[in-house]
Order: sequence, then C-alpha cells, then structure tokens
Amino acid sequence: EVQLVESGGGLVEPGGSLRLSCAASGFTFTNAWMRWVRQAPGKGLEWVGRIKSKTDGGTTDYAAPVKDRFTISRDDSKNTLYLQMNSLKTEDTAVYYCATDPVSRHWGQGTLVTVSS
Amino acid sequence: QSALTQPASVSGSPGQSLTISCTGTSSDIGGYDYVSWYQQHPGKAPKLMIYDVSNRPSGVSNRFSGSKSGNTASLTISGLQAEDEADYYCSSYTSTSTRVFGGGTKLTVL
Repeated sequence: EVQLVESGGGLVEPGGSLRLSCAASGFTFTNAWMRWVRQAPGKGLEWVGRIKSKTDGGTTDYAAPVKDRFTISRDDSKNTLYLQMNSLKTEDTAVYYCATDPVSRHWGQGTLVTVSS
Repeated sequence: QSALTQPASVSGSPGQSLTISCTGTSSDIGGYDYVSWYQQHPGKAPKLMIYDVSNRPSGVSNRFSGSKSGNTASLTISGLQAEDEADYYCSSYTSTSTRVFGGGTKLTVL
C-alpha cells in the first residue's frame, strides 16, 4: 500500500524558516517524481513545486510565489521528500500536501503551516 | 501563471448528469494534453479522478469522464450520487514547466 506521511508543520513567525518532510512507502521512491501542493484555509489548491527523480536529472520547478524562498529536495536513501521554506510570509499559511508526480494518484494527509506573529 | 477558471458552484439532482468546465489558455490547457481533475471532500486530501484529459485511474467510477476542446477542459459526472458532493479542481501542465490549478467548483447534490 502506498503511503505518504507529511510532518514538520507548525507555527512560525513571519520571516522564519521551516522544513517539511514527506515519508514515502509502498512504491519505488527512487524512480518517482514528487510534488508539493498547498491549500490556504478555506481556499483552493495551489501547486508549489516538483522534483524529478535523480535518474531524470533531479531538477526542480517552483511556482512564482515561492521561487527563491522554497527548496524541494529528496533523500532516496531515506525515501523522504523535503520542502525547505525560508523567508516565510503570512500568505504561506496553508496545509501542505506531498503527492506523486506527474500523475498525482497518491497524496499525503497534509501538514498545517501557520505563519503568524 | 494565472489560475484556471472554473465556475464557483454547480448543482444537480440525483441521477442527473452535469459538467464542470475549466478554462485556460494556449499556454496551459490548449497546449498540452496534461489536464487532471481532483475531488476533495471537506477535511480530506484531494483524490485524482481524471488524468491526461480523459484517463480514469483504477478504482474511479466510470460515471466520471473528462474531455478537452481548445483551451477548455470539462469533467462530466453522470448518474449523480449524494457521495459526489465535494469540491472539484482541474489542473494543467504549463509552458513554463509548472502546473496550475483552477479555483475549484463546489458541487451540491440537491
């Protein structure tokens, strides 16, 4: 059974940093492209970014609002995806989901990030 | 990249068919056959219903179908059931190698 479990969310002040993790199991993580998607409270889904598998170059792409502030990485030895979030803004408050890419058949349950003073 | 345009809400009675539209541009929907549709119930993670315009993942009811014409994609739900009441989001690949979602459509089963 495929499982994606996010962790690392919490309360952080504006300008602060946070690192989210997504532990994957039940599939060959090494070969998988992965994405992060977020959802602000009461709002719609927003694509955050994507990382390809290392065999496909391991490159990343980001949405404009997070580019240069967020970094997606992966540790294939730990079957874990990461989202490093720096210079956080109040508008980054959201539930953050990890999911497989490009076809997002599998999603985690999400982790809430609250940016507030 | 601007969000794709979806109607804010649609409604239908059990057994009816309805269609949700998703309008983009030639830089996203019109340029690629990489449109997906997601269903989201309150407090739950999104669920993939359609990918690559018209493909259904295993386990998704064949009451759900997708199509595309020009810059507009559509999700059709036939034989509407109470359990179909949820939010629906479209998504497309874009010319900048990113993805974009629609604003979401709230489906109400009357």
